[in-house]
Amino acid sequence: GAGVSQSPSNKVTEKGKDVELRCDPISGHTALYWYRQSLGQGLEFLIYFQGNSAPDKSGLPSDRFSAERTGGSVSTLTIQRTQQEDSAVYLCASSRGDQETQYFGPGTRLLVL
Amino acid sequence: DQQVKQNSPSLSVQEGRISILNCDYTNSMFDYFLWYKKYPAEGPTFLISISSIKDKNEDGRFTVFLNKSAKHLSLHIVPSQPGDSAVYFCAASRPGDGNEKLTFGTGTRLTIIP
Repeated sequence: GAGVSQSPSNKVTEKGKDVELRCDPISGHTALYWYRQSLGQGLEFLIYFQGNSAPDKSGLPSDRFSAERTGGSVSTLTIQRTQQEDSAVYLCASSRGDQETQYFGPGTRLLVL
Repeated sequence: DQQVKQNSPSLSVQEGRISILNCDYTNSMFDYFLWYKKYPAEGPTFLISISSIKDKNEDGRFTVFLNKSAKHLSLHIVPSQPGDSAVYFCAASRPGDGNEKLTFGTGTRLTIIP
């Protein structure tokens, strides 16, 4: 497909379990972003990858959150020892480069019980 | 601390009329502003943007106005169409962040009444 894809679309997990969320950016896009939207909140920046540069992790809320981007393409956001406050929609976006329009995926809705 | 605020969670407008969505920000360092539109079960899509050196940017039926002294921007849609029904997010970024680190508002759900 031509757009950003994310999987799974929905994830229900128990408190304390680890989860992995996947993002497939648009082919050729060098920049990739993760955001989350908690209930009643705006989208919150989490992490940004640009090419081979070190990622900007300044938005990650705790050390339980980490993200990788393999081969400059697919990215995985991992949340360890999930907590109920991690419940949110996690959105991935990609762009052609710095200061280019971000194209968003449909998101993964995470529910931690 | 919500640096970008959309105080109206919802708005209903008659088809053909003007829709005005408002956004306020608190961080005077923001210099670039964007509007995104989101349909259910889809990610947000970019709509229109404005740099702080301008006070107006127009693209077809969509116009964004920026009032830097009031730290306020608005999105005008005219005429409103049923397909405009969606959630609209205002976003902002600071110098040096470019388009990377966007700070989003909580969104306004716009409903166009046929």
